[in-house]
Amino acid sequence: SQKIEQNSEALNIQEGKTATLTCNYTNYSPAYLQWYRQDPGRGPVFLLLIRENEKEKRKERLKVTFDTTLKQSLFHITASQPADSATYLCALPTPSSASKIIFGSGTRLSIRP
Amino acid sequence: NAGVMQNPRHLVRRRGQEARLRCSPMKGHSHVYWYRQLPEEGLKFMVYLQKENIIDESGMPKERFSAEFPKEGPSILRIQQVVRGDSAAYFCASSPPARGRQETQYFGPGTRLLVL
Repeated sequence: SQKIEQNSEALNIQEGKTATLTCNYTNYSPAYLQWYRQDPGRGPVFLLLIRENEKEKRKERLKVTFDTTLKQSLFHITASQPADSATYLCALPTPSSASKIIFGSGTRLSIRP
Repeated sequence: NAGVMQNPRHLVRRRGQEARLRCSPMKGHSHVYWYRQLPEEGLKFMVYLQKENIIDESGMPKERFSAEFPKEGPSILRIQQVVRGDSAAYFCASSPPARGRQETQYFGPGTRLLVL
């Protein structure tokens, strides 16, 4: 079965630095990969989607890469701010159904001033 | 355009009672998904529905859990005879009709169920 692993449970970064989160997956090649942000007590919020034929995607201070050979996605937040503190979830569709998404357990990011 | 609405936001039930969780998708969205999130764990897919149809319920427990998305009204996730292990946050998400694939999902604020 498909597995998603996110690099660490928690990441602590100094404000202004670049935060890099890792998502590794096994057992198949998804057509796309997504990143979501979740704040405590709230539902996830979609951030970015990157397709298998795209190496990199950017949105403001966010950058996502997708290496289908390594089966890995990296999620970068540049010039990080305390307001970026949240849990970030990586998500992939399953091979049997593009509508069924599996989520990683998330990385809790804290940006200290 | 209101986002995905879920109610109640918090629900307390005693063991053996029934829990009904409601989800109104975003306007124009005809696909609804339910997820469960246990404390300190990731989101687990439960069921995917379109209007009047269950498309994929492979994540639903075989007993006590059911879901529907009627032609009119919200989607309902129903848990009968709740047990303590059902305590979790239940999230609903919706997506618009799309040719072939539904990709981005928009999540509601969740219902936090506590079983005493």
